[in-house]
Amino acid sequence: DVKVTQSSRYLVKRTGEKVFLECVQDMDHENMFWYRQDPGLGLRLIYFSYDVKMKEKGDIPEGYSVSREKKERFSLILESASTNQTSMYLCASKRAGNSFYYGYTFGSGTRLTVV
Amino acid sequence: AQTVTQSQPEMSVQEAETVTLSCTYDTSESDYYLFWYKQPPSRQMILVIRQEAYKQQNATENRFSVNFQKAAKSFSLKISDSQLGDAAMYFCAYRSAGGTSYGKLTFGQGTILTVHP
Repeated sequence: DVKVTQSSRYLVKRTGEKVFLECVQDMDHENMFWYRQDPGLGLRLIYFSYDVKMKEKGDIPEGYSVSREKKERFSLILESASTNQTSMYLCASKRAGNSFYYGYTFGSGTRLTVV
Repeated sequence: AQTVTQSQPEMSVQEAETVTLSCTYDTSESDYYLFWYKQPPSRQMILVIRQEAYKQQNATENRFSVNFQKAAKSFSLKISDSQLGDAAMYFCAYRSAGGTSYGKLTFGQGTILTVHP
């Protein structure tokens, strides 16, 4: 079964810490995405990557960076975690191209709490 | 930029009854895709149904169907014969059909659906 795996289901970090959220896919997908999910706001795109070492900002990139050194792995980095980054983070991947039939595969999310 | 609005934060339905979840969107594009996703407590996002904007015929998938009104920019989801397993958060999502969009999804705020036995 194809998968997108997020390394942690729950994470608690302290304010000011550098935080890494890891996402690995086994489908050889070119495109990978990081979304943040908050009640009443839905999912908002933080960053995405369309190929190895290639990245673009999404709608809310402030306070985040990303890394994609290998095709299967896409990391979200919180350089200095703050309490307003407490949220659910969802990773997703899809094939390159924008065909209607190219669907997203999502991970199960990481619920991050910054204290 | 495109926006997606789900105006119903919560909905409830009796088992075996029918419920409709609302979604409106705003775009200046003529070619795009629309989706409904389900997120159960397991958090795994599941694609429920999808619609291509240039197709006038409403999509259906078993008990799930949509009412797509392109001129009104409305894309509602109808769940017939509701089951306990339908209880979840439902998200409406938009995706440009343009080749440079990389397939980015824009999501609505979500609707929590409760199914009563």
